[in-house]
Amino acid sequence: DQQVKQNSPSLSVQEGRISILNCDYTNSMFDYFLWYKKYPAEGPTFLISISSIKDKNEDGRFTVFLNKSAKHLSLHIVPSQPGDSAVYFCAASAAGANSKLTFGKGITLSVRP
Amino acid sequence: DAGITQSPRHKVTETGTPVTLRCHQTENHRYMYWYRQDPGHGLRLIHYSYGVKDTDKGEVSDGYSVSRSKTEDFLLTLESATSSQTSVYFCAISDGGLGTDTQYFGPGTRLTVL
Repeated sequence: DQQVKQNSPSLSVQEGRISILNCDYTNSMFDYFLWYKKYPAEGPTFLISISSIKDKNEDGRFTVFLNKSAKHLSLHIVPSQPGDSAVYFCAASAAGANSKLTFGKGITLSVRP
Repeated sequence: DAGITQSPRHKVTETGTPVTLRCHQTENHRYMYWYRQDPGHGLRLIHYSYGVKDTDKGEVSDGYSVSRSKTEDFLLTLESATSSQTSVYFCAISDGGLGTDTQYFGPGTRLTVL
């Protein structure tokens, strides 16, 4: 039973355009959500997070939106750059869970020059 | 970057042999985690530690054991490696364990079991 779902395995966008990466979750106890970026042969790096008390968090070109009623979050990258090409993992945790994260399977983003 | 190192970075071993992977941190973080990454599965938690000598199982703990005798070191042991344990293994650390705490990952160990 997959509690964090990234249903699209890949996404290709043109440089300068917006990239929208989607993530759905099923566990209503999740209250903290994170996005990680991973380049080949490297460990995942933290990108941005959002708490369930917010519906939006922005950091430079990256914005995460949270829709609690739909159990859906999305990562927007504007404008997309070739260096953004990577695998993006959505992750979620619940309060009191020793910060255990549940990850989605990841989305491979390709930004075309 | 968080001070996390993993050793070895690459290892090839044979079925049935014991293997130990090491994670070392310089951040003095309380929590440490071991994940494996496999195609089509994302990152899955194997074991984690919430303090020295305090460990617990994750979702894919069968065939693995861990030990943490010092704050800075977290060892993952495959007592008798199998081909299904061929994977990339990542260590992660976090400070608070409060559910709103960010985990930071090491560079990974690629393990091949022949």
